[in-house]
Amino acid sequence: DAGVTQSPTHLIKTRGQQVTLRCSPKSGHDTVSWYQQALGQGPQFIFQYYEEEERQRGNFPDRFSGHQFPNYSSELNVNALLLGDSALYLCASSRQGKSEQYFGPGTRLTVT
Amino acid sequence: GQSLEQPSEVTAVEGAIVQINCTYQTSGFYGLSWYQQHDGGAPTFLSYNALDGLEETGRFSSFLSRSDSYGYLLLQELQMKDSASYFCAVRDKSGGSNYKLTFGKGTLLTVNP
Repeated sequence: DAGVTQSPTHLIKTRGQQVTLRCSPKSGHDTVSWYQQALGQGPQFIFQYYEEEERQRGNFPDRFSGHQFPNYSSELNVNALLLGDSALYLCASSRQGKSEQYFGPGTRLTVT
Repeated sequence: GQSLEQPSEVTAVEGAIVQINCTYQTSGFYGLSWYQQHDGGAPTFLSYNALDGLEETGRFSSFLSRSDSYGYLLLQELQMKDSASYFCAVRDKSGGSNYKLTFGKGTLLTVNP
């Protein structure tokens, strides 16, 4: 049983560009959450998707958007990249209403 | 908004017991989770407390006091492989229709021989 997978593992972008990160949840999970983790900090909640709709959103600007597909996989899009967007982006999946979240290995984004 | 406080670093020796404390302020509190993250790895779930009291899972235990907005993670019989960052995270529904997790900044545990 595959766990949570994310692609790509690493990404280098230039300031002002746009990026799309992808996540496939653990089998049987229907809810996907995205987090940004800066070096030495805890994961910061970006948003959560369930039934293809954004159900919760953290304190992130509209440059951060997402999507969930019928197969429960999800994308995170970031527009107009800033240097401060450089971080590890984590995807976590869970069953609706359950407390345990399973994290993927993350995508390391570097903005130059 | 939500805020969580936990020590930034803790050092202990193999075989010892260590306790990592977490205090929180939040609205719509549903429970407190603990996650472990090794350097360069993904966070992994350790425990969850929704009610007051102690939950035990092998060498790890977690405690919650809702009235004190306080919890802790207790690690016993420390092993070198326990060296990692440990995060407490509050589960709440504020601002939306589903539960979300708000993480603390993490406690770096170093286990020495």
